[in-house]
Amino acid sequence: AQKVTQAQTEISVVEKEDVTLDCVYETRDTTYYLFWYKQPPSGELVFLIRRNSFDEQNEISGRYSWNFQKSTSSFNFTITASQVVDSAVYFCALSSTQGAQKLVFGQGTRLTINP
Amino acid sequence: DAGVIQSPRHEVTEMGQEVTLRCKPISGHNSLFWYRQTMMRGLELLIYFNNNVPIDDSGMPEDRFSAKMPNASFSTLKIQPSEPRDSAVYFCASSFRVSGDTEAFFGQGTRLTVV
Repeated sequence: AQKVTQAQTEISVVEKEDVTLDCVYETRDTTYYLFWYKQPPSGELVFLIRRNSFDEQNEISGRYSWNFQKSTSSFNFTITASQVVDSAVYFCALSSTQGAQKLVFGQGTRLTINP
Repeated sequence: DAGVIQSPRHEVTEMGQEVTLRCKPISGHNSLFWYRQTMMRGLELLIYFNNNVPIDDSGMPEDRFSAKMPNASFSTLKIQPSEPRDSAVYFCASSFRVSGDTEAFFGQGTRLTVV
């Protein structure tokens, strides 16, 4: 069975601070995808990144970066120089590479950036 | 592309009434997913279609729930009869699948309240 754990339920930081959201996963699949989605207060789910399990290179996109460590089954997400607009619930998710991409989501981390 | 379009955005209905949620996937996508989001259970997959065919409906909570995809550009999720515990946000998502899937893009969701 697949499982995603986001142990941080809520995080609150002051604007411009760096913040890391943790994600730990469990799967028996040898290949899999990992994802991060953002859910702003307006409610939609916004795709941020997909990472294949055979690609352990870290990725940076502007102020966002992702650290994938297969040895610890973690896929952490860091926001550098946070901004108020980053306030949202962030979901980590997992899917198999075989068959359709059925996502198993973590419970989400509510991030609040205070001015 | 306009993205995944769901209607209605909000629905309030009385217990026992039939509710129909609608989804228009991204043009060209051939996989469609219905997810439900509740405080207690988080985001969970209800059913997914590939090429308009239901592939896995193991997440459908009970017989009161049914989903159809009569063509590549339209899907419905029906609840009959509705109950207060069905209150949730229902998301539709689509992706493109050949040998594997692209990432799933989500609609803005339908917030259902059953009173």
